Order: sequence, then C-alpha cells, then structure tokens
Amino acid sequence: EPEVTQTPSHQVTQMGQEVILRCVPISNHLYFYWYRQILGQKVEFLVSFYNNEISEKSEIFDDQFSVERPDGSNFTLKIRSTKLEDSAMYFCASYGFGGYGYTFGSGTRLTVV
Amino acid sequence: DQQVKQNSPSLSVQEGRISILNCDYTNSMFDYFLWYKKYPAEGPTFLISISSIKDKNEDGRFTVFLNKSAKHLSLHIVPSQPGDSAVYFCAASKTSGTYKYIFGTGTRLKVLA
Repeated sequence: EPEVTQTPSHQVTQMGQEVILRCVPISNHLYFYWYRQILGQKVEFLVSFYNNEISEKSEIFDDQFSVERPDGSNFTLKIRSTKLEDSAMYFCASYGFGGYGYTFGSGTRLTVV
Repeated sequence: DQQVKQNSPSLSVQEGRISILNCDYTNSMFDYFLWYKKYPAEGPTFLISISSIKDKNEDGRFTVFLNKSAKHLSLHIVPSQPGDSAVYFCAASKTSGTYKYIFGTGTRLKVLA
C-alpha cells in the first residue's frame, strides 16, 4: 500500500530557530497538504498545494510558514522562527484522483523549547 | 468557529456490540464527509466517506449515515472489535477530494474484550 513518509518523526528545537519538516507524498498524487494537531485538540488545516503553488492557506499559516516542493518527490514545511505555540504534531497528506480521501503520513512531533 | 462537532469525547462498547459515533456540522456548503481513524503516534487513516447525494454508505463492518436536514452524520461499527479502539475523527469538505477538510475534535472509542 502506498504511503506518505514524513521525517523526522520527532524534532526538538529552540524557540526562534528555523525548522524544516519533510514529506514524501505518494508518487502519482498531485495535491499536497499540511495539517497540525496541538495536543488534545483537533486536526487543523494549514495549507494546500497544487501545481507548484499554494491553493489555499489558513489563518494559522502566516509569514513564518512556507512550503516548497523542491524536487519531484519532496514536499517541505518551513517554520522560520519557531514559537512555543508551534509545538504540535504536523501531518502531511496527499491526494490523487480516484481516491476517496487524503492519505496522511505518520506525522512529525515538533517540540519548541 | 466549530463547523464540525463531535460532542462525545469518548465511548466504551463491549466487543461484538454496535459502536455509534456521531458528528454534527453547521456549514450547509459541506457536501462530502469522511471518517478517519487514528492510533497514537500515527497519522489519521481514511475509513469511509459519503457524498451529500447519498444518505448511507457501507463498507464491511462500517456504515456511515448522513442526515442532511439535521446536518448530522454517524458512523456505525458492527460488530465492534478490540482493534477498533482508536480516536475517530469526522471531517467535512465542500467537495470531494481536493479541498481542505474541516475536522471534528474526535471521539475516543474503547472496545472492551
């Protein structure tokens, strides 16, 4: 079964540092997403990406956040200057036509200290 | 702005019995609904979906019912198995597939052996 792969599984960073979360979506998928889940809260939409550009972003996705598809396989989320409240599980997802729902990765737990 | 609500944070059911998980939504523009299952330290896994043109969709032990007039959907699991113990998220979208999903807060299901 095809998978969405996320690395690292856990990242600890100092407040104010930049982090890059990496994702390898399913190879023939064209739509890519980042979601996050703060501990004990719901899964929240951050951004969707299609055809090498952002198609939609939430209020959470401010200027500190950026996404990139640097090559044909990776999809990254960068947080420029992390804050304590950025601590969360970050999930990457991808979608291909003919599917019924996104496929999510296992997530990256980001801890900002 | 809780557009998708799961009012029961937890549910315990005996093995072999029916589990019924409920979800309410407020936005009448939603026309595609999904259920995801999530184990600890894993990403959400797609379970079943339903389009607003249907009122029922069945896949093995899992059935989703949609009541558009009440803006309510439910997931039935029959018979429940201990391996079904997980957090179940309801999600809604304005169209199938590519658009962002709005998730509920989740219901933790525990199936007792």
